[in-house]
Amino acid sequence: DTEVTQTPKHLVMGMTNKKSLKCEQHMGHRAMYWYKQKAKKPPELMFVYSYEKLSINESVPSRFSPECPNSSLLNLHLHALQPEDSALYLCASSQAPGPGGLVGYTFGSGTRLTVV
Amino acid sequence: DQQVKQNSPSLSVQEGRISILNCDYTNSMFDYFLWYKKYPAEGPTFLISISSIKDKNEDGRFTVFLNKSAKHLSLHIVPSQPGDSAVYFCAASASSGAGSYQLTFGKGTKLSVIP
Repeated sequence: DTEVTQTPKHLVMGMTNKKSLKCEQHMGHRAMYWYKQKAKKPPELMFVYSYEKLSINESVPSRFSPECPNSSLLNLHLHALQPEDSALYLCASSQAPGPGGLVGYTFGSGTRLTVV
Repeated sequence: DQQVKQNSPSLSVQEGRISILNCDYTNSMFDYFLWYKKYPAEGPTFLISISSIKDKNEDGRFTVFLNKSAKHLSLHIVPSQPGDSAVYFCAASASSGAGSYQLTFGKGTKLSVIP
């Protein structure tokens, strides 16, 4: 299994809703990430988990709350989002680099989130 | 302040010819560089990576060249195929500690391969 699986693929939520994005990988990668991508922009890092511990939070508002229940799963809990939070949310995982570089830094297909 | 720059928003190439995509960076602490291909509303697909201690890495039709003194890298695709048409992102990594690597992306170059 060489994939990162994200669910749901699409999500529409109101500003008062609570929802969660899910990410799963079975490649044995010990680092997992959340990135956010707005239209016509590059992905931007939100959170980094290493060995199931949060190691980086890139000044993300508290309405986004990450969780890493185990080494294969990563969740992003959403609450009281704003319309400007609408974006493609990407999960990724990575392994230690090898002779070929940082091979295997794998992204999921993303969740297209629309906040109404 | 953009640490990774892709100065060409778009590139058109004839099928069968070479595509050359360029990327410049400013942070000398970057230790790995990666290229991704992306279609709209999909996640980036990994193409090839290179360590900062090397100057060339090859994988099939894809070759990445790194010039550390110029802080410049390029992706060569030979021969180009219509299925290569997509947005290509250059990314640079810095170790975040404890085995994790945060990526900084360029803005992307849209490659169109004309049949």
